[in-house]
Amino acid sequence: ETGVTQTPRHLVMGMTNKKSLKCEQHLGHNAMYWYKQSAKKPLELMFVYSLEERVENNSVPSRFSPECPNSSHLFLHLHTLQPEDSALYLCASSFSGRAVGEQYFGPGTRLTVT
Amino acid sequence: QKEVEQNSGPLSVPEGAIASLNCTYSDRGSQSFFWYRQYSGKSPELIMSIYSNGDKEDGRFTAQLNKASQYVSLLIRDSQPSDSATYLCAVGGNNRLAFGKGNQVVVIP
Repeated sequence: ETGVTQTPRHLVMGMTNKKSLKCEQHLGHNAMYWYKQSAKKPLELMFVYSLEERVENNSVPSRFSPECPNSSHLFLHLHTLQPEDSALYLCASSFSGRAVGEQYFGPGTRLTVT
Repeated sequence: QKEVEQNSGPLSVPEGAIASLNCTYSDRGSQSFFWYRQYSGKSPELIMSIYSNGDKEDGRFTAQLNKASQYVSLLIRDSQPSDSATYLCAVGGNNRLAFGKGNQVVVIP
């Protein structure tokens, strides 16, 4: 679990707030991911960064804004969220390559939008 | 057609028995296959990866891959109460992983 860390672990925010989620990986990986996990649904890929460049934005609403300043850090900026955005947000990292490699997850941020 | 499909419903197995989990996928170009274990309230933990047809064993876990049938499975031998969790199948291709909904396993002491 210490290979990928996420803060905060829990977050409650109103629909008008702005907050940021932080992820840091200590595994020497060069790709990082944001996933959303809602009850009874598969893990949904939100964003992929490979070598600090965003390579995928999976039709995510603009109220979610990712930032990857370097290969070890990833942020998810949140603003004017909706109650249906309440979920577990997971960060993961891996080595980037032709074949998708093993991804390692952080502990997640449990987000509640009120 | 869903990208990755796993059997629905919880799987109850007696302690010491074999738990068998199945997963099918739709993209024939998929190159990498993974099983993750997720305890309630926790994040997914990688337990097996497999890249070529056949079986791969790691301790009490065996992953089986059949690319022709687009099928990957996980066997848990000598099931323990600590194996009670949700198991996620993930399939890699096009620079991303696609996940199934997961299978809940309950090991009954």
